[in-house]
Amino acid sequence: DTEVTQTPKHLVMGMTNKKSLKCEQHMGHRAMYWYKQKAKKPPELMFVYSYEKLSINESVPSRFSPECPNSSLLNLHLHALQPEDSALYLCASSQVGGGRFSEAFFGQGTRLTVV
Amino acid sequence: QKEVEQNSGPLSVPEGAIASLNCTYSDRVSQSFFWYRQYSGKSPELIMSIYSNGDKEDGRFTAQLNKASQYVSLLIRDSQPSDSATYLCAVREANNLFFGTGTRLTVIP
Repeated sequence: DTEVTQTPKHLVMGMTNKKSLKCEQHMGHRAMYWYKQKAKKPPELMFVYSYEKLSINESVPSRFSPECPNSSLLNLHLHALQPEDSALYLCASSQVGGGRFSEAFFGQGTRLTVV
Repeated sequence: QKEVEQNSGPLSVPEGAIASLNCTYSDRVSQSFFWYRQYSGKSPELIMSIYSNGDKEDGRFTAQLNKASQYVSLLIRDSQPSDSATYLCAVREANNLFFGTGTRLTVIP
């Protein structure tokens, strides 16, 4: 069983809607990630938070807005999305020690459909 | 951008055979390497991590790393139909994790 929990599992939203994806981990990890995965493609990094601070933003459009309220929680706020944003959104977390990042563990993902 | 390359397959092996999955990477500085298994419609599941040259065994899985050749592989012994999935090679650089395109494995009963 994964210790990274994502909600909701499925989301259908219109292009004018505002919604949020949520992720929670209880492994004491201090790095959390958002990935986007399209069908038959590998996961693509969107954002990385390290010690609750945004450390990587891979040129993601502003209609995606991440938030890390504390070390266990990670949100992704969605606004004015396009149909091409439909994908599996994956949250992951990893330990950080001595400046080194360990293996990443993924949540079960949120299947997002934009109509 | 780091390059992580895998043969996309599909790779088909009979049940009970050894499946061999390969991955090459472009950055000599990379230090951490991972194999993930992903079933269709599911999220990636970590199955092996390897940090130093040589072999690392865990049950039916063996990861092999050769940093001089920038090559990492995964062997699955006694392959089972439940091993049918896409296997993703991942290479870590600092706080980023770069994925290969994945190899689709089918184990034929």
